[in-house]
Amino acid sequence: EVQLVESGGAVVQPGGSLRLSCAGSGFTFENYAIHWVRQAPGKGLQWVSLISWNGATTHYADSVKGRFTISRDNSKNSLYLEMNSLRGEDTAFYYCARRAPNHRYFDFWGQGTLVTVSS
Amino acid sequence: SYVLTQPPSVSVAPGQTATITCGGNKIGSERVHWYQKKPGQAPVVVVYDDTDRPSGIPERFSGSTSGNTATLTISRVEAGDEADFYCQVWDTSGDHPVLFGGGTKLTVL
Repeated sequence: EVQLVESGGAVVQPGGSLRLSCAGSGFTFENYAIHWVRQAPGKGLQWVSLISWNGATTHYADSVKGRFTISRDNSKNSLYLEMNSLRGEDTAFYYCARRAPNHRYFDFWGQGTLVTVSS
Repeated sequence: SYVLTQPPSVSVAPGQTATITCGGNKIGSERVHWYQKKPGQAPVVVVYDDTDRPSGIPERFSGSTSGNTATLTISRVEAGDEADFYCQVWDTSGDHPVLFGGGTKLTVL
């Protein structure tokens, strides 16, 4: 069974840092590009970042560029999102999502982890 | 920047048909995908590549495109279909490859 499990969400002060993790199982993790997508309270889905299967290619939404860093460790079947200079508007559930092979949609998502940026 | 426009809300009685639209000037040249998002749950794809349905998704869910508009149609709506629905495309024109519509709240009356 394909599973993606996020962890690392917490309450953090503005300007603080946090590292999210996403553990994959039930599939060959190293073969897939993985994305982060977030949903702020009462808002819609917002794409955050992607990393290619081998980590060679990364992209970021303008709202997080320069503050967030996506990375992966295929030996640990894990994806990470390093979040710095956090702002109130970063408060959201963060989901990791697997891109379907040879397609441009997300076939599996994690259950999400909540990041709250508040003093 | 490229935008996908969805109506904020759609209401329908049980047993009726719900239609949710997604407008954008690249629809027709990009494949459109649809997700169902219920509170406290992860999004689930219900239609991909404009018209295809993943295994396990009821035939009541169908997708289509015409001109600059993609449409998700839910036939014989059930109470359990109540959720937020999002369209998504892959935008290769910029640095942000993934774009979601603003979402549509489907209310089953």
